[in-house]
Amino acid sequence: GQQLNQSPQSMFIQEGEDVSMNCTSSSIFNTWLWYKQDPGEGPVLLIALYKAGELTSNGRLTAQFGITRKDSFLNISASIPSDVGIYFCAGRYNSGNTPLVFGKGTRLSVIA
Amino acid sequence: GAVVSQHPSWVICKSGTSVKIECRSLDFQATTMFWYRQFPKQSLMLMATSNEGSKATYEQGVEKDKFLINHASLTLSTLTVTSAHPEDSSFYICSLQEFYGYTFGSGTRLTVV
Repeated sequence: GQQLNQSPQSMFIQEGEDVSMNCTSSSIFNTWLWYKQDPGEGPVLLIALYKAGELTSNGRLTAQFGITRKDSFLNISASIPSDVGIYFCAGRYNSGNTPLVFGKGTRLSVIA
Repeated sequence: GAVVSQHPSWVICKSGTSVKIECRSLDFQATTMFWYRQFPKQSLMLMATSNEGSKATYEQGVEKDKFLINHASLTLSTLTVTSAHPEDSSFYICSLQEFYGYTFGSGTRLTVV
């Protein structure tokens, strides 16, 4: 199946640092979503974006839906140890009951 | 958002046997559910779209006779891995779409020995 281009693949950062990751697609999406997955668990939604240019925050997390509708980024400010995990971007091409396409994930490690 | 319950959380089975995984929507009537498979350190790959009362739609390369999907009610979809082999060992996750977005089950770790 199709996948999004997500980068970086992994990051090692110091506690308190800010983090940025992004996703790009060759196709236009009408929805961008960011999920976090802990080991042995299903993904948990962090932020959902529905409009081009939309900038949305959820606590220390901020995500934006790119103007071209082909990209999105997620920023985490002042990272803490519990931010450790795998972050996935996901997108949807169409409206209605259509499945998500996932990026390959960014594995985040936070060093205390 | 919706609450999705997936069972079992993990299962070990012998090669050649079949395993059924259940995905329940506890508070939302889902006409459509999605089944994903995730190999270690990889992303989620869509296997099939489960439609209530009709046949599932499988992604290219996914054997429909091996991965049987049944969506008999608006709150339950099941995935049965038939004649499982070690290469079927993976993390299987269901998902549904509701008003607030997509909600995922907690996943099932299948190990075939």
